[in-house]
Amino acid sequence: QVQLQESGPGLVKPSQTLSLTCTVSGGSISSGGYYWSWIRQHPGKGLEWIGYIYYSGSTYYNPSLKSRVTISVDTSKNQFSLKLSSVTAADTAVYYCARRIAARPHFDYWGQGTLVTVSS
Amino acid sequence: QSVLTQPPSVSAAPGQKVTISCSGSSSNIGNNYVSWYQQLPGTAPKLLIYENNKRPSGIPDRFSGSKSGTSATLGITGLQTGDEADYYCGTWDSSLSALWVFGGGTKLTVL
Repeated sequence: QVQLQESGPGLVKPSQTLSLTCTVSGGSISSGGYYWSWIRQHPGKGLEWIGYIYYSGSTYYNPSLKSRVTISVDTSKNQFSLKLSSVTAADTAVYYCARRIAARPHFDYWGQGTLVTVSS
Repeated sequence: QSVLTQPPSVSAAPGQKVTISCSGSSSNIGNNYVSWYQQLPGTAPKLLIYENNKRPSGIPDRFSGSKSGTSATLGITGLQTGDEADYYCGTWDSSLSALWVFGGGTKLTVL
């Protein structure tokens, strides 16, 4: 059974960079065939796709966030990471990591989510 | 403003049936598979329906999905109080700004 677990600071100051890591267990990122994704949910709001990465390093980002987002993968640790720069209060959200099967357009496994608050 | 349009809320009594609509366009629903996610209060979303009408293992057949043109529908029969949740549709949008899009979510209340 694949499991995903987000980790990282719960509080980030405005203008700084938000950094989160997703650790994957029960499966290998380097085995290929999946897009490793970040999705966020503003408080009381809907879901917003941030982007995803293939194990080879190919990335796909939401155009509205592309200038501030970097998603990377560390196959040796079976982890992938999110960096979101120049954050503001509008980036306060629950951040989820999720897996998408490359050949199938849906997210089949999700992490539990982690709340990141942007505040001074 | 979400690219995919869902009703903010629906409600029905236990045992009844409810449908949740998801409306899009030719660049998303019209030419791509739709998936549905259930988000119980305080939890992460869970895959409910994929490829328009397929259920993952463990999802009861009370849940069904369909697609017609640029709209998709989630159906839930035999409503239970445990079905109270937010439901989201999602698909790929293959417009110039290619991205994954979700609906705004629908809150299901089982009266």
